[in-house]
Amino acid sequence: NAGVMQNPRHLVRRRGQEARLRCSPMKGHSHVYWYRQLPEEGLKFMVYLQKENIIDESGMPKERFSAEFPKEGPSILRIQQVVRGDSAAYFCASSPEEGANTEAFFGQGTRLTVV
Amino acid sequence: DAKTTQPPSMDCAEGRAANLPCNHSTISGNEYVYWYRQIHSQGPQYIIHGLKNNETNEMASLIITEDRKSSTLILPHATLRDTAVYYCIVRVASNAGNMLTFGGGTRLMVKP
Repeated sequence: NAGVMQNPRHLVRRRGQEARLRCSPMKGHSHVYWYRQLPEEGLKFMVYLQKENIIDESGMPKERFSAEFPKEGPSILRIQQVVRGDSAAYFCASSPEEGANTEAFFGQGTRLTVV
Repeated sequence: DAKTTQPPSMDCAEGRAANLPCNHSTISGNEYVYWYRQIHSQGPQYIIHGLKNNETNEMASLIITEDRKSSTLILPHATLRDTAVYYCIVRVASNAGNMLTFGGGTRLMVKP
């Protein structure tokens, strides 16, 4: 049973370009969470999705950021017109169900560098 | 979710037990205590979680005080590979998702 798969592991974008980060949850997991970790800072929750639905996007910046989790395929975190401040590690986690008695498993992250 | 307080850093000798404390004095009855760790540049790794009773798995033991206001994560025989930032998180039982609020954690340095 493969773990949470994120790709690419490293992504370099010039300012103004678009960044697309992909996350395939663990098999059987229908809940996906995206977190961002800025350099030398802690992880911050961004968005929580279930298949075809955004459940909670309270941690997402209001502009340029969007996320989706289609019926088929991986979850995508999309950042339009990237700026240097978007440089960070982006982690995806998945869980089989909601509720406090369910652990979430994380991928290895995508490290975005904006030059 | 209740706030947690952890020491910012700790050292431990290789082969000895590492005891990482966490205070969560405002925890409520339906909140679980979770521990994750993040080894440098990697994704957070789930360690263990519990509600009231002490828990043990192949990685660690979790000791929760009777009043549930604090807990201790125990790594019985720390190795150099256990050097990481350890996060203590409390999670409320709800149908609103399994989001985790990460604080500063404890940076554990295991030394030879």
